[in-house]
Amino acid sequence: SAVISQKPSRDICQRGTSLTIQCQVDSQVTMMFWYRQQPGQSLTLIATANQGSEATYESGFVIDKFPISRPNLTFSTLTVSNMSPEDSSIYLCSTPGASGRDTQYFGPGTRLTVL
Amino acid sequence: QKEVEQDPGPLSVPEGAIVSLNCTYSNSAFQYFMWYRQYSRKGPELLMYTYSSGNKEDGRFTAQVDKSSKYISLFIRDSQPSDSATYLCAMSGTGGGNKLTFGTGTQLKVEL
Repeated sequence: SAVISQKPSRDICQRGTSLTIQCQVDSQVTMMFWYRQQPGQSLTLIATANQGSEATYESGFVIDKFPISRPNLTFSTLTVSNMSPEDSSIYLCSTPGASGRDTQYFGPGTRLTVL
Repeated sequence: QKEVEQDPGPLSVPEGAIVSLNCTYSNSAFQYFMWYRQYSRKGPELLMYTYSSGNKEDGRFTAQVDKSSKYISLFIRDSQPSDSATYLCAMSGTGGGNKLTFGTGTQLKVEL
């Protein structure tokens, strides 16, 4: 399985600011996913990031709010822009598991609190 | 109605008990079913993977899928305090990198 790291592990930010979350994978992967996990709610997919193309956003998520970069096959960033307290959540990146399956491997998450 | 329903718990059991965790779903297109375990302040970790209906066993863990009832279960035998975590069910329609739909997770505590 892929080993995935995220930075920062947690942060406390002020309303109106932006935070960029980094995701590093120890092997080359075509697809990377970004999720949000809010208290008491299921993991919600924000977007799928493919290297060399624009990220694909899920309904309810827009590029202006959650810009994503995917400069190479082992790295991606998610920026949470113009934050509000409603953005307080855990943000997770993941990569696909075994070929032909829909399993995914997850990073440890970034716990974001917006004041 | 959510596509995947899961009782959030918390569920508290004594050490050694058999634990039953369940999810129901509404989308008949789901064919791939997974259980993830998530410890506090960690990312979800894949525990069990099942394709279509049937049972799958791995050590103390058994996953069951009943597609006719749209119901999946995870059984944990001889539960241990180290099993205390949140268990998330997840499912998808086809293999090959499709989007996963998750339940909200059931928080389990195994007490000494």
